Amino acid sequence: NAGVTQTPKFRVLKTGQSMTLLCAQDMNHEYMYWYRQDPGMGLRLIHYSVGEGTTAKGEVPDGYNVSRLKKQNFLLGLESAAPSQTSVYFCASSSRVRGGSSGANVLTFGAGSRLTVL
Amino acid sequence: GNSVTQMEGPVTLSEEAFLTINCTYTATGYPSLFWYVQYPGEGLQLLLKATKADDKGSNKGFEATYRKETTSFHLEKGSVQVSDSAVYFCALPGMDSSYKLIFGSGTRLLVRP
Repeated sequence: NAGVTQTPKFRVLKTGQSMTLLCAQDMNHEYMYWYRQDPGMGLRLIHYSVGEGTTAKGEVPDGYNVSRLKKQNFLLGLESAAPSQTSVYFCASSSRVRGGSSGANVLTFGAGSRLTVL
Repeated sequence: GNSVTQMEGPVTLSEEAFLTINCTYTATGYPSLFWYVQYPGEGLQLLLKATKADDKGSNKGFEATYRKETTSFHLEKGSVQVSDSAVYFCALPGMDSSYKLIFGSGTRLLVRP
């Protein structure tokens, strides 16, 4: 009963380095999301996906790329890390909305990945 | 677009005290409203939700009523415990698509024995 698993849990990078965060879910959810959490700012959506092979930009997409080659995985990449990307990153997933307000999503979150960029 | 505003924290209470965390929203129509909770070192998890006006969501002794007249969804608990210490987030779907949630800035609750 793993739910949503994120790897790695912690990472320290130097400015300009690249890295990929992996998110895996075992609930057969169609939708997946990457959020970042910063003090006093709550969660902000970076990118999301509504199905295998599809991705879309969220509120703060600059400096990040994503891929969803398999339904269960959603990768978040930083091509050239910057100190402003120091944050805690959360992946989440949800099932397809089945119409109307009563079908609004309930998100299942991973435990988070803490990234520090020096 | 849709948005939520939460009271700033931290909120510090003694065990068995009454809790209120304020949340107000701006939205087109009457979307579902949510409270999520984040315990230390963990991801967020759904605490409760309300899907239409005047609905009351409840879970683990927490309650919140969807009030369209005041555009509010305040979180309440009659008697808090130390184990309730966490960060609480109010959320609602985005205007353009119901599957994207917009979160408030979070309110940290610290309950002292």
